[in-house]
Amino acid sequence: DAKTTQPPSMDCAEGRAANLPCNHSTISGNEYVYWYRQIHSQGPQYIIHGLKNNETNEMASLIITEDRKSSTLILPHATLRDTAVYYCIAVTTDSWGKFQFGAGTQVVVTP
Amino acid sequence: GAVVSQHPSRVICKSGTSVKIECRSLDFQATTMFWYRQFPKQSLMLMATSNEGSKATYEQGVEKDKFLINHASLTLSTLTVTSAHPEDSSFYICSAVDTEAFFGQGTRLTVV
Repeated sequence: DAKTTQPPSMDCAEGRAANLPCNHSTISGNEYVYWYRQIHSQGPQYIIHGLKNNETNEMASLIITEDRKSSTLILPHATLRDTAVYYCIAVTTDSWGKFQFGAGTQVVVTP
Repeated sequence: GAVVSQHPSRVICKSGTSVKIECRSLDFQATTMFWYRQFPKQSLMLMATSNEGSKATYEQGVEKDKFLINHASLTLSTLTVTSAHPEDSSFYICSAVDTEAFFGQGTRLTVV
């Protein structure tokens, strides 16, 4: 699975949009981009995933560049409860669920 | 959504004893589950793939005789840390795959 690179930390003001970048320049055509987050001392929580098209759900939006070498997770209106470590993972269906987690981005939402 | 439950959420054990951690998929069947370990201020590290009805597949560097995995049913995988030592103290997390990969809430193991 392709390696992903994320900034180590990011601050965001409550109520503002949080844009979390992820670089996956070696991603292959059959690898999906998944985003999970981990609130302190809990198991990771699924946020969103995509292959080529942009995706949106009740939690977030995922923007994938046309060349698929990078993506951005958008939390439209950050709340204090969004403070967590956010992980971007590239994975194929062959290794479904077998995630190689990187360091992720520590997002701190401040009042 | 699908739920994966781990038990216990916290455990303290004495050095040299064994500890069993259970991972259950509550509303779906999972032929494959995964076990991760997370040390403080670090990311999750995949330990092994648990396959229902067959032997687990361990990642490089993970001792299969120390971390025993049993996946006897489609809804239950167990991880037993044998002869635990303080360096085994960690946060252990399981996941099970349905339409997506769902994670348990984790088990905090402290070996004293």
